[in-house]
Amino acid sequence: SQQGEEDPQALSIQEGENATMNCSYKTSINNLQWYRQNSGRGLVHLILIRSNEREKHSGRLRVTLDTSKKSSSLLITASRAADTASYFCATDGVGGTSYGKLTFGQGTILTVHP
Amino acid sequence: DAEITQSPRHKITETGRQVTLACHQTWNHNNMFWYRQDLGHGLRLIHYSYGVQDTNKGEVSDGYSVSRSNTEDLPLTLESAASSQTSVYFCASSEKARGQGITGELFFGEGSRLTVL
Repeated sequence: SQQGEEDPQALSIQEGENATMNCSYKTSINNLQWYRQNSGRGLVHLILIRSNEREKHSGRLRVTLDTSKKSSSLLITASRAADTASYFCATDGVGGTSYGKLTFGQGTILTVHP
Repeated sequence: DAEITQSPRHKITETGRQVTLACHQTWNHNNMFWYRQDLGHGLRLIHYSYGVQDTNKGEVSDGYSVSRSNTEDLPLTLESAASSQTSVYFCASSEKARGQGITGELFFGEGSRLTVL
């Protein structure tokens, strides 16, 4: 079963607008990561937020984490056409069987129109 | 620059044939993973390895096997390919976790698209 579930499944915006994607997960985590995938390519790591952090920034990216609600959001500010891609959240888990592994959600397809 | 490469990038095979997808990383990472990506399912973990001679089953391991004879390579073998194994396969690697099971970022290959007819 999928640990992370993204919402919305697809998002279409204009250049310059902000894009917000949400992720929910089911079990306790050590950290949550966001990845980007351009069409036909591999996934690329964007940002990692630990379970004891509430917010993290990296350039135009802002990630929040609410462990009480088991949810995270990724905000891309001032979006560009080049941000068009699929975005995935991924979680590890607490406990030996989850060691070193990530479970991915189904992703949000972001389209940024010029 | 360090990298992770997969081959072949595209393959068409027939039902029942054995297929091996190669994955080679020059990051010197201990951890290596194989995922498959399908519409509606996201990425699902097939097998993973924490080091040489170590292999573990993931969420969807039936019909697949891996071996880890060195740090750099984790080939994925489909023993008898089935149409349900038509998918895009991604190999990934990461550093050995630090502390108590803290998982670092994964570095992905470009994927291998497999079609089983």
